[in-house]
Order: sequence, then structure tokens, then C-alpha cells
Amino acid sequence: NAGVTQTPKFRVLKTGQSMTLLCAQDMNHEYMYWYRQDPGMGLRLIHYSVGEGTTAKGEVPDGYNVSRLKKQNFLLGLESAAPSQTSVYFCASSYDSRGSDEQFFGPGTRLTVL
Amino acid sequence: GESVGLHLPTLSVQEGDNSIINCAYSNSASDYFIWYKQESGKGPQFIIDIRSNMDKRQGQRVTVLLNKTVKHLSLQIAATQPGDSAVYFCAENGDSSYKLIFGSGTRLLVRP
Repeated sequence: NAGVTQTPKFRVLKTGQSMTLLCAQDMNHEYMYWYRQDPGMGLRLIHYSVGEGTTAKGEVPDGYNVSRLKKQNFLLGLESAAPSQTSVYFCASSYDSRGSDEQFFGPGTRLTVL
Repeated sequence: GESVGLHLPTLSVQEGDNSIINCAYSNSASDYFIWYKQESGKGPQFIIDIRSNMDKRQGQRVTVLLNKTVKHLSLQIAATQPGDSAVYFCAENGDSSYKLIFGSGTRLLVRP
């Protein structure tokens, strides 16, 4: 049981380049989330999904897109990276409201946009 | 708007002492609260959670207290150890049953 995994762990992009961050969970969770964390700050929700094939905007969705084609995977895309998107990105997953609302987090992806 | 805040951005304690980390929340509709620990370079790790029908919940060396009257949440760590040094985040669910709103975090430093 690997929990929540993220790929890649580190990435450096040039302004205008695109990339996709992959999140995978093996806990059969319904809900998945993408957050960004900037220095000295808490986690801000970018996008989330409440089930396969569904996505919704969070607090800071601009400049990002997501897809949830399979229940276990949640992809975060940057179509045209900007320096303001330099951050650490965390993926999380959770079960549903019948059980614990605890979100399980991945190890993070550190992204630098030059 | 909704917010979860912390009174102390940095807390320094002596090894072996008890630590108390405080958190204020603003959304009266929140009925679920959770504390996470984040070590440097790692993702947040679950510590303990509590629902609004409880005032207190205990885990191993940790206790969470919820005061709904003043919208205050606290995390108590007994016999603080060097391995407890980390940033601690509180979070609430607001109006949602599946989203969490995170505070900005408190850094706990344990002096040997």
C-alpha cells in the first residue's frame, strides 16, 4: 500500500513551457485534491475532484487544469508556466463523508519556473 | 470570508515540556477539524481530528480541544520531543463535507 504518490519530485521549467504533474492513490478514495504551498504559508486548494470524471475549481485555479480519467489518478497541468507558479505542489486524497474526512497527502513536487 | 488563523507563528519549548498550539476559526458551519504535522521537505501528516459534537479528543501524547463558543481549537503535545519539531497546521471543513481550509501554520521548535 503506497498511499499517495506524486511524479515528478522536482522540476525546473522555463516561462511558457508546459508540464503535467501526476498523482496516484491506491486507497480507493473518492476525492482527490491539488494544493500549492508557498514559503511560510499554508496550503491553498487549486482544483479538486469528487469522483472519476469530475473536477471542480478551488481557491486558486487560474493557470492550471486538471483531469480525473481514472479513479486512482489525478493530473495537474500547467499549459504555459509562469514564475508565479513556482511552488511546492501537494496532492491529497480522501474517502467520503461517511467515514473520516482525513486527507492523505503525497510527498510533494517542487516546481521552479525561471 | 472563511479563514483559519493561528495566534503564534513560532513556538519554542524545552524538551520534555508540554506544548500548546492554538488556532482560531471563523466559520460557524465547520463541524470537522484536523491537525497536521509537516516536517521539512515532506507532505503534511495526520495527527488528530475532532468533530464538533466533541470538546476533547486524545491520541498518543496529543490532545485536541475544541471550544465552539469562541471558535478556538488547540493542540496539546505532552512531553515534547525533538522529533516533534515541525510546522503544525490546523484545518476546518467550512461549509463542505469534503474540502479543508488550512491555516498558515505554527512552527514548533524543541530545545534540547
